[in-house]
Amino acid sequence: AQKVTQAQTEISVVEKEDVTLDCVYETRDTTYYLFWYKQPPSGELVFLIRRNSFDEQNEISGRYSWNFQKSTSSFNFTITASQVVDSAVYFCALMGDYKLSFGAGTTVTVRA
Amino acid sequence: EPEVTQTPSHQVTQMGQEVILRCVPISNHLYFYWYRQILGQKVEFLVSFYNNEISEKSEIFDDQFSVERPDGSNFTLKIRSTKLEDSAMYFCASRPQQGPGNTIYFGEGSWLTVV
Repeated sequence: AQKVTQAQTEISVVEKEDVTLDCVYETRDTTYYLFWYKQPPSGELVFLIRRNSFDEQNEISGRYSWNFQKSTSSFNFTITASQVVDSAVYFCALMGDYKLSFGAGTTVTVRA
Repeated sequence: EPEVTQTPSHQVTQMGQEVILRCVPISNHLYFYWYRQILGQKVEFLVSFYNNEISEKSEIFDDQFSVERPDGSNFTLKIRSTKLEDSAMYFCASRPQQGPGNTIYFGEGSWLTVV
């Protein structure tokens, strides 16, 4: 069974601060895929990033970066220099058996 | 950029009525999904569909739910007799066939309110 845990329920920051979102997952699969999705107040789910289990290289994409550590089953996500438009719910998700299992989400509020 | 489109964006229905939610997946995608999100809760898997049949369904997807691909472009979710607890945002999603890790792309959602 797949399980994704996002322990942080809400995070509130002031604009330009960095925000790090934690994600811990459980899976028995040896090959799996991890994702972050953003859900702005308008409600849609927006794909942000994807990571394969066999590639632990951490990357930066614009203001987004992620830290994937297989040894601790963690896939943390950082927004650098946050902006008000980053205010949203962020979901970590794990793909197994061709479907996604989502965490409970972390609500990020960026104050001007 | 191709996207998954859903209609209606919002529907209010009376308890016991049938509802059909419609989706047009991305054109070259072959896996289709419905997910549900009750207000303030996590996004939950309902059903996946491939090669004109259900490939997997969750416990939520009971006999009152059904899916159909009536033509080459639409993918529908039918709720036969709605209950108050069916009130939720329903997301349609699709992904390409190649590779198990391909990204699933979601539509903007259909918000269903059962009164």
